[in-house]
Amino acid sequence: DAGVIQSPRHEVTEMGQEVTLRCKPISGHDYLFWYRQTMMRGLELLIYFNNNVPIDDSGMPEDRFSAKMPNASFSTLKIQPSEPRDSAVYFCASSLGGLHTFGSGTRLTVV
Amino acid sequence: EDQVTQSPEALRLQEGESSSLNCSYTVSGLRGLFWYRQDPGKGPEFLFTLYSAGEEKEKERLKATLTKKESFLHITAPKPEDSATYLCAVQAIGRLGGGYNKLIFGAGTRLAVHP
Repeated sequence: DAGVIQSPRHEVTEMGQEVTLRCKPISGHDYLFWYRQTMMRGLELLIYFNNNVPIDDSGMPEDRFSAKMPNASFSTLKIQPSEPRDSAVYFCASSLGGLHTFGSGTRLTVV
Repeated sequence: EDQVTQSPEALRLQEGESSSLNCSYTVSGLRGLFWYRQDPGKGPEFLFTLYSAGEEKEKERLKATLTKKESFLHITAPKPEDSATYLCAVQAIGRLGGGYNKLIFGAGTRLAVHP
């Protein structure tokens, strides 16, 4: 298995632009998580899905953030419009049971 | 509120100098405690899961232990390749007693092992 696949690995965008981050979970995993990591706040859970259904989105910072999981093999995290304070590394993780397997992350820089 | 606190924030060791990292937690009901290792530019990589007080797990130079309030990650005779950030996370039991997969992470301990 190739593990959790995230794209792009790096994204540099201008303030106000729309950004879409993508994630392919491990086949057979029934949970998918989106985390954000910064030096100041560490690893924060944004939202998670169970069987493609959003369960808890209380960590989504603002309405500018949205996430979808149209099927078991794909999820997106969208930021519209992006702001410089959104700059961070965004991780996707999937799990079957408690153990999370993380992707390599997307480093987002908003200038 | 469920919370995880790791200490120290950073630790510098000489090769071969054993030490321990601490993870203190407050959780309404513990389903599991997880240790991850994170290298620069990569996602966290799973090391151990502990489920009940008194449990211990080992992997090479690492040993994780669990009590009702904290977990320790003991590093014996570390090598430079053990340098990384070590993250602790807890998974709480759901309010209805069922599975609850959300992990709450601590801020991590940055470990540097010098030759």
